[in-house]
Amino acid sequence: EAGVVQSPRYKIIEKKQPVAFWCNPISGHNTLYWYLQNLGQGPELLIRYENEEAVDDSQLPKDRFSAERLKGVDSTLKIQPAELGDSAVYLCASSSQYNEQFFGPGTRLTVL
Amino acid sequence: GESVGLHLPTLSVQEGDNSIINCAYSNSASDYFIWYKQESGKGPQFIIDIRSNMDKRQGQRVTVLLNKTVKHLSLQIAATQPGDSAVYFCAENYGGSQGNLIFGKGTKLSVKP
Repeated sequence: EAGVVQSPRYKIIEKKQPVAFWCNPISGHNTLYWYLQNLGQGPELLIRYENEEAVDDSQLPKDRFSAERLKGVDSTLKIQPAELGDSAVYLCASSSQYNEQFFGPGTRLTVL
Repeated sequence: GESVGLHLPTLSVQEGDNSIINCAYSNSASDYFIWYKQESGKGPQFIIDIRSNMDKRQGQRVTVLLNKTVKHLSLQIAATQPGDSAVYFCAENYGGSQGNLIFGKGTKLSVKP
């Protein structure tokens, strides 16, 4: 069974540019999570979806970050415009309801 | 705010020895705890979990101990192998579902051959 797929794996952009990350969860997993992970730190939840609905986006900086999960499967996380402090690894995870979260490999973003 | 933290940022052990990784949590309402392993360039991988109504749980070569009195969690790895080298995170969950996870900062485990 394929795991959580994320793309791109690496992205380098200049500040003020937009960037988007894509996530394909494990088939059948209705819950999808986006996390931000800074170097040497644990992941921090940005947003959690139950099917198409964002049920927890309290930690998502809504002035520049947006996310969507059309049709309750794939999801996209966008930053516009990116700032230097956004450099981090963006992790996507999925789970069937109330069960173990499976993480993707992440997208490493570098903002110059 | 309350958060999960780790006592030691790095741990170096000899291959074959047992490893103990510690974690302190501060949210008394947390009812579920998970240990994750993260290798370089990969996402966190579930190792073992424990609910607050238990104080010990064993898996294959791993044991998690929970002391709610002092809000302390530990991960014991028996006969540590080079493949165990990674960063280990504890995470606490509150509110019932697994959605509300708070991760600690991580402990880097290095295994010397």
